[in-house]
Amino acid sequence: QSVLTQPPTASGTPGQRVTISCSGSRSNIGTNSVYWYQQFPGTAPKLLIYSDNRRPSGVPGRFSGSKSGTSASLAISGLQSEDEADYYCATWDDSLNGAMFGGGTKLTVL
Amino acid sequence: QVHLVQSGAEVKKSGSSVKVSCKAYGGGFRSYVINWVRQAPGQGLEWMGGIIPMFGTEKYAQKFEDRVTITADESIDSVFMDLSGLTRDDTAVYYCARGVDWDTGMGDWGQGTLVTVSS
Repeated sequence: QSVLTQPPTASGTPGQRVTISCSGSRSNIGTNSVYWYQQFPGTAPKLLIYSDNRRPSGVPGRFSGSKSGTSASLAISGLQSEDEADYYCATWDDSLNGAMFGGGTKLTVL
Repeated sequence: QVHLVQSGAEVKKSGSSVKVSCKAYGGGFRSYVINWVRQAPGQGLEWMGGIIPMFGTEKYAQKFEDRVTITADESIDSVFMDLSGLTRDDTAVYYCARGVDWDTGMGDWGQGTLVTVSS
C-alpha cells in the first residue's frame, strides 16, 4: 500500500480535460516537490512534471501539475488517444528518508 | 544528456542473489543520484534506494535495507544493485534512474532489467 494515494483508474474522451489526484501527508507532499511520470506498457517511465508544476523540454503544454497542501494533481487538457498510459506521482518523504511513488493511475481514452 | 544502459535479464533461484548493473554514457554521472526502482508484473513503481557515486553516499528504502547493496565504480561510470535473499516476490523489472539530488525527480531512466525468481 503506497503512502501516496492515487485513483487506480481515470478516463476521458478525446478533447476532454482529465485530472489525476495524488494525496499524501505533511512529511512528503506537504514539504517536498511532486513529480509525475508517464509510463507506456513495456517501457521505462518518463518524467512528465517536476517541481510540482514544471514541464521538461519536449512535454506538451497540455500537461500541467499543481499542488495544494498535502495533495497534488496532474491535469491533461485536450486529451488525445496517445495519452492512454499509466501515470505515477512521486515525492520525497522526510520521515521515511526515501523517495516514494503513488500506486499509479491507468488512464483510458474512450 | 546521459544514456543509462542496464545489464541483461536474469533468472535466479529462490534464496540466491542478483547483481544488476547500470552504465552511464554521455557524462553527468558522478555527482548525480543514481536510483534503483523496481516494478513487479502488473504493479506500480517502488523505490529501492540510490547512491551518489562521487561521494559514495547511499540511501535505502526501509523495506530493502537488509537485503540490498548499491555500489558505484567511477572508473567505468557504472552503478550496481545487489539484491540478496531472493523470493518469487522479487520477480520484477529493475530500473536505474538518474536524479539531480535525493529529493528531485528522475529525468533519465535505464531500459530496465527483468529479474525472474523461480523456486
